[in-house]
Amino acid sequence: EIQLVESGGTLVLPGGSLRLSCAVSGFTFTNYDMSWVRQAPGKGLEWVSYISVSSSTIYYADSVKGRFTISRDNAKNSLYLQMNSLRDEDTALYYCVRNPSRLLDYWGQGILVTVSS
Amino acid sequence: DIVMTQTPLSSPVTLGQPASISCRSSQSLVHSDGITYLSWFQQRPGQPPRLLIYRVSDRFSGVPDRFSGSGAGTDFTLKISRVEAEDVGVYYCMQTTHFPSFGQGTRLEIK
Repeated sequence: EIQLVESGGTLVLPGGSLRLSCAVSGFTFTNYDMSWVRQAPGKGLEWVSYISVSSSTIYYADSVKGRFTISRDNAKNSLYLQMNSLRDEDTALYYCVRNPSRLLDYWGQGILVTVSS
Repeated sequence: DIVMTQTPLSSPVTLGQPASISCRSSQSLVHSDGITYLSWFQQRPGQPPRLLIYRVSDRFSGVPDRFSGSGAGTDFTLKISRVEAEDVGVYYCMQTTHFPSFGQGTRLEIK
């Protein structure tokens, strides 16, 4: 069974930092590109970042560029999102998503990040 | 940036009746490789999104055949042939031909 399990979400002050993790199982992680997608409370979906299998290709949404860093550890079957200089508008449920061939096929349950003073 | 516009934003449907959601992109979604990367997702209440349709009309694994996708260029449609109670939720189109972007979502509810 394919599983993607996010962790690391919490309440953080504006300007603070947080690192999200995503542990995957049930598929060969080293064969798949990955992405993060977020959803603000009661709102729609927003793609955040993409990383290729070898980490050689990385993209970010303009809204997070320069503040967020995506990475992966293929030996640990894990995906990460380092979030710095957090803003109120970064409050959202963050999903880890498998991203083969321009598809977003399997999604984690999501982890909540709340940015508030 | 590619803007994806869905209509309607809300769709009350009678059980057993068909439903249709439209999605229009601000630019053509035909990639240089000739493939149109347009997907549809279903998000049931309290659940993560679930891939239903990819590349305009290909049904993802396990998706009932009452769901179908069609369209080309900038205009796309998701159709449910006979709505069931479990289909309640929000439906999103998404393009990955360019930098990924989602439609704003269409809420499907039962009359």
